Amino acid sequence: AQSVTQPDIHITVSEGASLELRCNYSYGATPYLFWYVQSPGQGLQLLLKYFSGDTLVQGIKGFEAEFKRSQSSFNLRKPSVHWSDAAEYFCAVTGGGNKLTFGTGTQLKVEL
Amino acid sequence: SAVISQKPSRDICQRGTSLTIQCQVDSQVTMMFWYRQQPGQSLTLIATANQGSEATYESGFVIDKFPISRPNLTFSTLTVSNMSPEDSSIYLCSVRAPGAYEQYFGPGTRLTVT
Repeated sequence: AQSVTQPDIHITVSEGASLELRCNYSYGATPYLFWYVQSPGQGLQLLLKYFSGDTLVQGIKGFEAEFKRSQSSFNLRKPSVHWSDAAEYFCAVTGGGNKLTFGTGTQLKVEL
Repeated sequence: SAVISQKPSRDICQRGTSLTIQCQVDSQVTMMFWYRQQPGQSLTLIATANQGSEATYESGFVIDKFPISRPNLTFSTLTVSNMSPEDSSIYLCSVRAPGAYEQYFGPGTRLTVT
């Protein structure tokens, strides 16, 4: 069975500081990995995706993520956080079928 | 990516009643999905809405409680039946384009059952 772990429930960073959100997945074969962001009262927006190829993927809003097969990780990074980045971030995995399995999310707070 | 709308955006309902949530997509898609996000929780897949056939439900979800319709390739409904306060959640629909693996989500329907 596929699963996702996001170890950090809450993270607080200062505006302009760098950010890294952790994601560990469990899947028996090659996974398809995603990061989504959910702003208060909003649906989920796709930030980036990894299917194959280059293990460093670029997304929208200046985000990037690195796939590390040896560590079963897909951490999300941003070099300089903006106050508007405050939201909840979800990592998700699928094996290519219909089911998208989400982590429990990381709530990001940005201090001005 | 597809543009997805949901109606209603929020509702407050009494226990024992039912609510039907609509999901409209601006393009034809094969795969549509319904998720539940309970307060402070992550998303859980309820079912896959198949056009022209019965929906496929995940473990723990049944058709009598969450009947789904998919009359065409751009529209689906989810009904939450005989509601209880435990059904208070955000319900989201999503779509997946042919040949793609990522899903795109609607804005969600925030349901409160009193």
